[in-house]
Amino acid sequence: GAGVSQSPSNKVTEKGKDVELRCDPISGHTALYWYRQSLGQGLEFLIYFQGNSAPDKSGLPSDRFSAERTGGSVSTLTIQRTQQEDSAVYLCASSLNSASAGNEQFFGPGTRLTVL
Amino acid sequence: SQKIEQNSEALNIQEGKTATLTCNYTNYSPAYLQWYRQDPGRGPVFLLLIRENEKEKRKERLKVTFDTTLKQSLFHITASQPADSATYLCALISGAGSYQLTFGKGTKLSVIP
Repeated sequence: GAGVSQSPSNKVTEKGKDVELRCDPISGHTALYWYRQSLGQGLEFLIYFQGNSAPDKSGLPSDRFSAERTGGSVSTLTIQRTQQEDSAVYLCASSLNSASAGNEQFFGPGTRLTVL
Repeated sequence: SQKIEQNSEALNIQEGKTATLTCNYTNYSPAYLQWYRQDPGRGPVFLLLIRENEKEKRKERLKVTFDTTLKQSLFHITASQPADSATYLCALISGAGSYQLTFGKGTKLSVIP
């Protein structure tokens, strides 16, 4: 079966532009996570969606970041007015249920964002 | 403050030897801990999970231990092969009912033929 897919794989943008990153989770997975990975850094939690519950946005670094998940499936992470410090690899992961149950997370290949 | 640390940024080991990677944490009471493998340009791939009431878990050439007194997990790869070269990440769930995984920065393992 298909794994988690993300698009685009690479995105180069100019400072101040908005970008949208897309994640297609594994079908049937109720939990979806976005992470950011900067060079030499660990995965930084951004946002978590679980079923129809309100998302946990506690990891979003600023109000320029937002995300939505439509129909409990596809998710879009939007970064407005991008800054150079937003440059990183953005990873999406899905799991069958919440991580509290110990479910493994399946990661997509990531989107490498470069802000010039 | 809460911290999760993987003590070595990089580890070089001779093929055939056992690689041991360390994950230490402070100010957490994790319900469980997971280990992932990440290859360059790819997302992490799940390897093993160990729960707080388990001392050891094995899967083929992999072994994970979990010592909640020392606040440490050890990840072993026996009979290491060049194909095992990758970055290995530990991640923990902070407590019962929590759903946020916190990841360490990873250890880059290089197995030298």
